[in-house]
Amino acid sequence: GQQVMQIPQYQHVQEGEDFTTYCNSSTTLSNIQWYKQRPGGHPVFLIQLVKSGEVKKQKRLTFQFGEAKKNSSLHITATQTTDVGTYFCAGRPVGSARQLTFGSGTQLTVLP
Amino acid sequence: DAGVIQSPRHEVTEMGQEVTLRCKPISGHDYLFWYRQTMMRGLELLIYFNNNVPIDDSGMPEDRFSAKMPNASFSTLKIQPSEPRDSAVYFCASSLSYSYEQYFGPGTRLTVT
Repeated sequence: GQQVMQIPQYQHVQEGEDFTTYCNSSTTLSNIQWYKQRPGGHPVFLIQLVKSGEVKKQKRLTFQFGEAKKNSSLHITATQTTDVGTYFCAGRPVGSARQLTFGSGTQLTVLP
Repeated sequence: DAGVIQSPRHEVTEMGQEVTLRCKPISGHDYLFWYRQTMMRGLELLIYFNNNVPIDDSGMPEDRFSAKMPNASFSTLKIQPSEPRDSAVYFCASSLSYSYEQYFGPGTRLTVT
């Protein structure tokens, strides 16, 4: 079945440093979504990417969808303590009726 | 809108007991999802409904789990009998349409002793 892998699993950064998490799918995706889950909270939708090579920005966050639509990345510039949480990618395979498959997530810790 | 509502927020029960988790999706959302989150297995889709009809229940772990959606504003996930390995956070989510973003509820933390 479809697998969505995320790396790294954990990341500790000093406040102000940059952070990137990578998402890789075993199959071509029709779209990919990113979610953030704060400690003790629930996943919250951040963004959706649909087009090959698409790049979207939200303030300090930059999201990319690979040309082959099999991988994606989330980059945070100059992390802040409010960025702490687990970031999940979630993808839907092309031509599949299946719903989103969530990656394993990257847990970000920001040290003040 | 109040968002997705789940109850109870916490449930502690003994092995063998029946557990019922409840969810009220966002009004107007046609899709409802049940997820389970554990450290070992991450976030797993258990089942989802479209217009109150179960579409894909391939993620339901076994016959002890069942889900219903009797109307557009209410769904239940039932575990009978419960086992310690069912301990997890169970999330309900809803979305407006097939490929739209999902809105998650606050979750129910289930502990089976």
